[in-house]
Order: sequence, then structure tokens, then C-alpha cells
Amino acid sequence: RKEVEQDPGPFNVPEGATVAFNCTYSNSASQSFFWYRQDCRKEPKLLMSVYSSGNEDGRFTAQLNRASQYISLLIRDSKLSDSATYLCVVRGSGGGADGLTFGKGTHLIIQP
Amino acid sequence: EPEVTQTPSHQVTQMGQEVILRCVPISNHLYFYWYRQILGQKVEFLVSFYNNEISEKSEIFDDQFSVERPDGSNFTLKIRSTKLEDSAMYFCASSSEGDTEAFFGQGTRLTVV
Repeated sequence: RKEVEQDPGPFNVPEGATVAFNCTYSNSASQSFFWYRQDCRKEPKLLMSVYSSGNEDGRFTAQLNRASQYISLLIRDSKLSDSATYLCVVRGSGGGADGLTFGKGTHLIIQP
Repeated sequence: EPEVTQTPSHQVTQMGQEVILRCVPISNHLYFYWYRQILGQKVEFLVSFYNNEISEKSEIFDDQFSVERPDGSNFTLKIRSTKLEDSAMYFCASSSEGDTEAFFGQGTRLTVV
């Protein structure tokens, strides 16, 4: 059974602070990794893909540890607009034929 | 920017009725998907579709469900004999290549009464 586990939060963080989320996945054959964000009652939107070497996109940094089956997301200088649910998402080794496996999400609230 | 579009945005149906949810994936994409999200729960994979056939389906996608690509642009999910527990947000998604990200439509909120 494919599972992705995340701390549901909520994380209450003051504006400008740095916040980090983690998730673990159970399927060692997983090949693709993503962070999506979801606003209340909206569709998931891709935040960033996660690569083995780690990658950064502006204020966001993602890391992957395949040995520990662990993915992280770091948000620096948090903005009020970062308030959302952050979904850790994994795809198996079947490429596009495989559906995405979602975590339940981590709820982030940025406070002014 | 190209996007996945879904209709209707909200569908209310009586228990036991059939519904068809419609999606127009991004035009040059090859892989199409349906997901559902019950209120307060995680997004769950239903089915993937490639080259005019189902590639993979989850245990949720039983005989009650079917998908079709009736023409070059639409991708539909049919739910027969709806149950109260089918009430959820249904998201269509598409992707261009196997390992790339999937883009989601805005969803159809299905309410079974």
C-alpha cells in the first residue's frame, strides 16, 4: 500500500519567519516527488518538483532523501499569501500511468 | 496559460442517479486522470488514461465508475447509481510526459442527496 505521511499542523508562523515541513513515503520504488499547495476548496497547484540533489525556487527549498524516504520543504521569509495547505505528493515507477499519491497535507497559517 | 477545465463546477444529484463529469485536458497532454477529495480528507487517485485506454485504476474505481474520451478534447467520468458517500470534489488532471507534474482542473463538487 502506497502511503505518504505528513504532520497535519496547523503551523502558526509569524510573517517573515522560516518554516519547514517534512513528509515520509512508504513506496521505495517511487520515482517522482512534488510539493503542491492547496487553498481552501480549490484545486492542488504545483509548487515545485523535488529532485535528488535538492532544488530551490526563490524562497522555497525542497530536499529529497531516498535512503530515508523523506522529503522536506523549507519556506524562508514567509508571506501572508503563503497561508495554505501544503501537499506532499509522490509518483511510482510507472511514469505517467501511475497516479499521484497525496499526503493529507500540512496546514500553514502565516500571522501578521 | 493553458489550463484544464471542468464542468459543471457543482452538481447535485439524487441517490441512485447517474452523473457525468466533464473535463477538457490541456491540448497537447497525453495522460489524463481523475482524482477525488472527500471534504476534509486527502486527494485520492481514481484512474489514469493513456492512448485511449485505462492505464491504472485504484481500488476506489470499481464497476460503478467509467471513463471515456469521446472525442479529441473531452475526457469524462461517469458514476452510475450514485451513493451518498460519492459526495466529494472530483478533480480532472493531465500531464504531458510520464514523469512530469500533473495540472489540475478547478474541480466539480458532487453532492448526492
